[in-house]
Amino acid sequence: GESVGLHLPTLSVQEGDNSIINCAYSNSASDYFIWYKQESGKGPQFIIDIRSNMDKRQGQRVTVLLNKTVKHLSLQIAATQPGDSAVYFCAGYLPANFGNEKLTFGTGTRLTIIP
Amino acid sequence: AAGVIQSPRHLIKEKRETATLKCYPIPRHDTVYWYQQGPGQDPQFLISFYEKMQSDKGSIPDRFSAQQFSDYHSELNMSSLELGDSALYFCASSFSLSPTNEQFFGPGTRLTVL
Repeated sequence: GESVGLHLPTLSVQEGDNSIINCAYSNSASDYFIWYKQESGKGPQFIIDIRSNMDKRQGQRVTVLLNKTVKHLSLQIAATQPGDSAVYFCAGYLPANFGNEKLTFGTGTRLTIIP
Repeated sequence: AAGVIQSPRHLIKEKRETATLKCYPIPRHDTVYWYQQGPGQDPQFLISFYEKMQSDKGSIPDRFSAQQFSDYHSELNMSSLELGDSALYFCASSFSLSPTNEQFFGPGTRLTVL
């Protein structure tokens, strides 16, 4: 089965600095990964995704890096803002038939932005 | 844009009671997923439905059942509730023909079992 886990449970970053959240996965067959942001009392919100045929993808202030050799991905948030404070989850898909994919979530990292 | 709707948002039940959680997916989405998130834990997949048929099953207890109806909304039925069932229950929906099959999550139902 798939196992996706995060290295650190908490991370505190000064406002304006960059943050990096790491995630390791165990199943090399995983072909699609998503980073989710979850604010208190809310559902996970999609941030950015990456397919296994890519090693880097950039969004607005966020970059995801994928290293298939060591089965590791990271989420970089540039110029952090107070609104970035949340729990961040990486989640992985295993290839399956249409409608059958399920997400396997890793342990979340709580990011706190210090004003 | 329309999002996933879940009801109720909060639910308080006593042990051994039953509960029904409802999920209304984004229009035209054909797949619904249910996740359970305990306090301080990551969401755990319970069950999913594609075109009204169960498509995958995760760590869903036998006391729980779910179905997807003709209008694509889904209900999670929970019986003989236990204290350990207290959690956030998320529903997500997706469209099977989208390039990424991205799952969009609802706001969740917070179930408290006393």
